[in-house]
Amino acid sequence: GAGVSQSPSNKVTEKGKDVELRCDPISGHTALYWYRQRLGQGLEFLIYFQGNSAPDKSGLPSDRFSAERTGESVSTLTIQRTQQEDSAVYLCASSLGGRPDTQYFGPGTRLTVL
Amino acid sequence: GESVGLHLPTLSVQEGDNSIINCAYSNSASDYFIWYKQESGKGPQFIIDIRSNMDKRQGQRVTVLLNKTVKHLSLQIAATQPGDSAVYFCAETRSGGYNKLIFGAGTRLAVHP
Repeated sequence: GAGVSQSPSNKVTEKGKDVELRCDPISGHTALYWYRQRLGQGLEFLIYFQGNSAPDKSGLPSDRFSAERTGESVSTLTIQRTQQEDSAVYLCASSLGGRPDTQYFGPGTRLTVL
Repeated sequence: GESVGLHLPTLSVQEGDNSIINCAYSNSASDYFIWYKQESGKGPQFIIDIRSNMDKRQGQRVTVLLNKTVKHLSLQIAATQPGDSAVYFCAETRSGGYNKLIFGAGTRLAVHP
């Protein structure tokens, strides 16, 4: 596709359930980022992947959050034992290398934890 | 702690007027700044950037001003149009290699006809 895509666009889950969010980056983009955006707030950095380097996981809020990336393609963000405070829009972005000016965002996945 | 913040959470303007959105940052090590526009239901979209060796940069109908002395950044939109209605974020980082973007809370711009 021409841009970053994310699925699902919306996810409603019950507290305590696990969820998986998917990101398909722009082809050829070596860097991939996950952010969380709570309602009415800015973006919180979660994790960054760059090629085969060890990911920067410094933004993950707890050990319930994890992410994987297969090579330079699809990434999955997993939240285990979801809590109500996990409700937010989860945004994925990809870029050429680590250049922030080439960072393109997907439309996000809106997660609602009941 | 280090943060990027905004003076105004909402800004209402008349169509055709100029808009100014402000942002303050506290990390003096930041030397690269970006403004993003986020429309409802979409991800943020890059608008314009500026490096710390500049104090002004212009794009199409947008101008970013950087005042390093007081750690202040502004986005000026000329002849604001209804399509400019969105939330605007500033973000800061340090250039050179990979460095995380730190985003501000955002300002909602509402353009009235």
